Amino acid sequence: GENVGLHLPTLSVQEGDNSIINCAYSNSASDYFIWYKQESGKGPQFIIDIRSNMDKRQGQRVTVLLNKTVKHLSLQIAATQPGDSAVYFCAETRDDKIIFGKGTRLHILP
Amino acid sequence: EPEVTQTPSHQVTQMGQEVILRCVPISNHLYFYWYRQILGQKVEFLVSFYNNEISEKSEIFDDQFSVERPDGSNFTLKIRSTKLEDSAMYFCASSESGPRYSGNTIYFGEGSWLTVV
Repeated sequence: GENVGLHLPTLSVQEGDNSIINCAYSNSASDYFIWYKQESGKGPQFIIDIRSNMDKRQGQRVTVLLNKTVKHLSLQIAATQPGDSAVYFCAETRDDKIIFGKGTRLHILP
Repeated sequence: EPEVTQTPSHQVTQMGQEVILRCVPISNHLYFYWYRQILGQKVEFLVSFYNNEISEKSEIFDDQFSVERPDGSNFTLKIRSTKLEDSAMYFCASSESGPRYSGNTIYFGEGSWLTVV
């Protein structure tokens, strides 16, 4: 079946470096994608979104890139900080719901 | 910042018992959702609710589950007869309109942790 999934379960990054978290999706009809951050014991927190008619969108310290040709989504976090430690989920919308991928844990090295 | 609130934060219940999880969505939001997350796994869609009726539900949302908006502020998830495998974090969420519309954030609550023993 079609799903939204992630390449790596855990990513370790040195504090201050840039982080890149990747996501592959298989539903070519998906037209809206979202990245969520989930800290331990908390609910998913919206980070940034992108529609399929865009290939890049920037926020504060975060950038989302969309490559529709290979159905790939990435989240770039600039100058990673300890507070960025969390699990990051990509998600796609289907009809009136969000479908989450499996999540990547971002671990910040001091 | 407006937020979705959920109660209880943690509930322990015996297998076979009924459980009601409560949520207060953001006040001007019209779409409501329940998701669950089994420990260490991804967040799974259960049900979406709009205009006082279920708009979509997943395979997980079987006859043991029901949702209700009993008044103008609360949105509840009921599990009629809990099973061990219902142990999970349950998240309520809401949005101003359907998530297909860009710029329309879905806000999640902090979750209700359900342990079935």
